[in-house]
Amino acid sequence: QVQLVQSGAEVKRPGASIKVSCKTSGYTFTDYHIHWVRQARGQGPEWMAIMKADGHTIVYAQKFQGRLSLTRDTSSTTYYMELSSLRFEDTALYYCVREGVSVYHFDYWGPGTLVTVSS
Amino acid sequence: QSALTQPASVSESLGQSITISCTGTSSDVGGYNFVSWYQQHPGKAPKLMIYEVSYRPSDISTRFSGSKSGNTASLTISGLQAEDEADYYCNSFTGTGTYVFGSGTRVSVL
Repeated sequence: QVQLVQSGAEVKRPGASIKVSCKTSGYTFTDYHIHWVRQARGQGPEWMAIMKADGHTIVYAQKFQGRLSLTRDTSSTTYYMELSSLRFEDTALYYCVREGVSVYHFDYWGPGTLVTVSS
Repeated sequence: QSALTQPASVSESLGQSITISCTGTSSDVGGYNFVSWYQQHPGKAPKLMIYEVSYRPSDISTRFSGSKSGNTASLTISGLQAEDEADYYCNSFTGTGTYVFGSGTRVSVL
């Protein structure tokens, strides 16, 4: 069965960086894109970025350009999302989300990783 | 990219029908048939309910349907049930290769 297992909750100081992992299994790694979506408490989801199945094509939301980086380790089928220069307003639940190639929707969501930015 | 516009809340009685709108622009909702809808219960991850405007995943009830006209997509829930009480979000692919979510609609079943 499809599984997206994310790393645990973290607390960071303003200005620090966070790297969240998403270990995938149960499907053909190279057939699917992975997105990152975040959701602050009481707010709607916010799309952040996509790493396409080829591992090279990455599109970031303009809002995060310059401080968001997506990478992956094919050998372990794990994706990583690194957000730098953290601000209080980056406090949110961060999801990795699967999209089938050329289907333009999100079919499996990870459980989310809570990132808290606090001084 | 601004969030797509949805009504903040919709309430209706058990067994009745509701329609939730999702308004964007010609650069997102109006430009592509890549609108999807997600249901979210408290403390849970969003769940795909409708994709490509009107298609339902195999595990989703036929009570859920989607449509689009111009820059506005809609989700209709017929025969409202207690378990339909949740937040609903639309999402669209955009002309810049990005995606955008709607502002969200809280559905209350009276």
